[in-house]
Amino acid sequence: EDQVTQSPEALRLQEGESSSLNCSYTVSGLRGLFWYRQDPGKGPEFLFTLYSAGEEKEKERLKATLTKKESFLHITAPKPEDSATYLCAVQAGGGGNKLTFGTGTQLKVEL
Amino acid sequence: DGGITQSPKYLFRKEGQNVTLSCEQNLNHDAMYWYRQDPGQGLRLIYYSQIVNDFQKGDIAEGYSVSREKKESFPLTVTSAQKNPTAFYLCASNEGGGNTEAFFGQGTRLTVV
Repeated sequence: EDQVTQSPEALRLQEGESSSLNCSYTVSGLRGLFWYRQDPGKGPEFLFTLYSAGEEKEKERLKATLTKKESFLHITAPKPEDSATYLCAVQAGGGGNKLTFGTGTQLKVEL
Repeated sequence: DGGITQSPKYLFRKEGQNVTLSCEQNLNHDAMYWYRQDPGQGLRLIYYSQIVNDFQKGDIAEGYSVSREKKESFPLTVTSAQKNPTAFYLCASNEGGGNTEAFFGQGTRLTVV
């Protein structure tokens, strides 16, 4: 059974204080790992897709990396508007295109 | 603008009633999905459809039903058999064929009163 574990559950940062969120996964044949951002009461917003170990992608203050067992979402010099829940999901081979999600990391960035 | 539209945003259901949640997409995506989100839990897959007139059960299909008569529409019915229907419901779609990101609607919050 595919499993995704995200840590920490919650993270509080000061503006400008860089940190990383972790996504550990167990999957039979990884086809893709996805990061989403979700604001309260809204649908998840797509951020990144990573396909193979060693791959990295960046968007503004966010950088996602992938190894064979985990992915990190690095947040550099965060701002209050980066406050949200960050979700990680995996897509396995042989399971159609469905995604298995972790429970998310709730990030709060304070002034 | 292309996107996924879910309606209504809020829905209240009396116990014993069936209700239908709407999901429409104009992205020309083949695959569509329904997820349920509860506090402290990840998104859980209810049903998915990879092509018109075909759909498969996800991990928590009991008490739910779907149809896929048109490519752009994938309505979800929450039946009276669903014992704990109060949740945030999310519809998503992607191109299908693997390795493609899913795009989500803004969700429907269902409350049983």
